[in-house]
Amino acid sequence: GENVEQHPSTLSVQEGDSAVIKCTYSDSASNYFPWYKQELGKRPQLIIDIRSNVGEKKDQRIAVTLNKTAKHFSLHITETQPEDSAVYFCAATPPYNFNKFYFGSGTKLNVKP
Amino acid sequence: KAGVTQTPRYLIKTRGQQVTLSCSPISGHRSVSWYQQTPGQGLQFLFEYFSETQRNKGNFPGRFSGRQFSNSRSEMNVSTLELGDSALYLCASSLVTGSLDYGYTFGSGTRLTVV
Repeated sequence: GENVEQHPSTLSVQEGDSAVIKCTYSDSASNYFPWYKQELGKRPQLIIDIRSNVGEKKDQRIAVTLNKTAKHFSLHITETQPEDSAVYFCAATPPYNFNKFYFGSGTKLNVKP
Repeated sequence: KAGVTQTPRYLIKTRGQQVTLSCSPISGHRSVSWYQQTPGQGLQFLFEYFSETQRNKGNFPGRFSGRQFSNSRSEMNVSTLELGDSALYLCASSLVTGSLDYGYTFGSGTRLTVV
């Protein structure tokens, strides 16, 4: 099955700096890659996603890039703010697995004011 | 529009007991997936239900089971509880199973503590 690895496990940045979180996946058939943000004590929330037919997608300060050849995808957050502090999870799913998402182990992002 | 509702929010059980957790998806969503979240193992897939049928299953022992009702509400059951079953159990609903149009919407979870 699919295996998703996520780095780094913790990331500390100064407010206003950029943050980058990277994930690799093993199954070349995976074609959907969502990112979730989970604040302390709250549910994971989808913040951005990308499909395999697209190389990059942006939504205001958040962007995701996908390199299918290398089988890795990254989350980029620009102009970080303290409210960006949370745990971020990447995930991948192949089309044959009916909503079974394989999650990375999570990155705890701390934005220092 | 109501979100995904999980009940109860918190639960404390004793080793050897069994427990049933409930998940009501967003209205119109027919797919419900369950995940176990622990600090050490992250988010691990338990199973997914669509139209009352289990369509996918993760690598958990048979003590973990689930079902889905005709109104798409889902329950999961854990029998013979072990200390290691202590975790946050999350369910997620989506509009169409197998579709790439919608990602999961997660519920707030049930925090299960086994003592």
